[in-house]
Amino acid sequence: DQQVKQNSPSLSVQEGRISILNCDYTNSMFDYFLWYKKYPAEGPTFLISISSIKDKNEDGRFTVFLNKSAKHLSLHIVPSQPGDSAVYFCAASEYSGNTPLVFGKGTRLSVIA
Amino acid sequence: EAQVTQNPRYLITVTGKKLTVTCSQNMNHEYMSWYRQDPGLGLRQIYYSMNVEVTDKGDVPEGYKVSRKEKRNFPLILESPSPNQTSLYFCASSPQGTAQKFYGYTFGSGTRLTVV
Repeated sequence: DQQVKQNSPSLSVQEGRISILNCDYTNSMFDYFLWYKKYPAEGPTFLISISSIKDKNEDGRFTVFLNKSAKHLSLHIVPSQPGDSAVYFCAASEYSGNTPLVFGKGTRLSVIA
Repeated sequence: EAQVTQNPRYLITVTGKKLTVTCSQNMNHEYMSWYRQDPGLGLRQIYYSMNVEVTDKGDVPEGYKVSRKEKRNFPLILESPSPNQTSLYFCASSPQGTAQKFYGYTFGSGTRLTVV
C-alpha cells in the first residue's frame, strides 16, 4: 500500500504562472516531509522540507504547505520558469529518522515558455 | 566536493552475467541505500544500510545483493541479471538519526542498466 501518493503524473504550466504539486500521505507517524527535484540523466536533489510542527516553509520561489489534518502537502512554485521543468518527488520521514524515506511516484512538471 | 559516486553510468549486459554497480560517498554518512526508478513506479528502494555490516531489504530486493564492508562503499550486486532488472539505479547516502530528516539524502547521478 502506498504511504505517499502523488496522484498527478504530470502537470503543464505556463511560464510566470504558479505551479502547484500535490502529495498525500497515509502514515500518521510521518513528521517530516521533503521535496526532491530530478532532471533527466541526474540524481534527485533536495529542494525544500517541512516539519510537522509547521504548516508552511518558504525558500525563494518555492513554498511548501502542510495540512496535517488532511494528511496533505503541496509545493508551490511562483513564478514558474522553464528551468523548473523536472520530475518532483515528495518524500516522508518518521519520528526517529532511522527508517528509510518513503517516496511518492513523482510528478513531471513542464513549464512552457 | 561532497558527493555520491556511482559507476558505471551506463551498462548493457546479457542475461545471467554477474555484475556489480559501485557506489562511494565521501561525506562519512552512516546510511546508504539503493533505489531503482521505473516509468510510472517512481523510486523504489532495493536495499539499505544503517552502518558497516548492517544491511536490510527495501521494497524490491529480489535478484539483488549488497554488502557494506566499509563505511564509504555500498556496492549493488546482480548475481544473475534478468531483463526485468533493466532500470535506472540510484545510490543515496545520508547522516543517521534525526540529521537525516533535516538533510535528506544525497543521490548519485544514476546508473542506467540494460539487460538483454
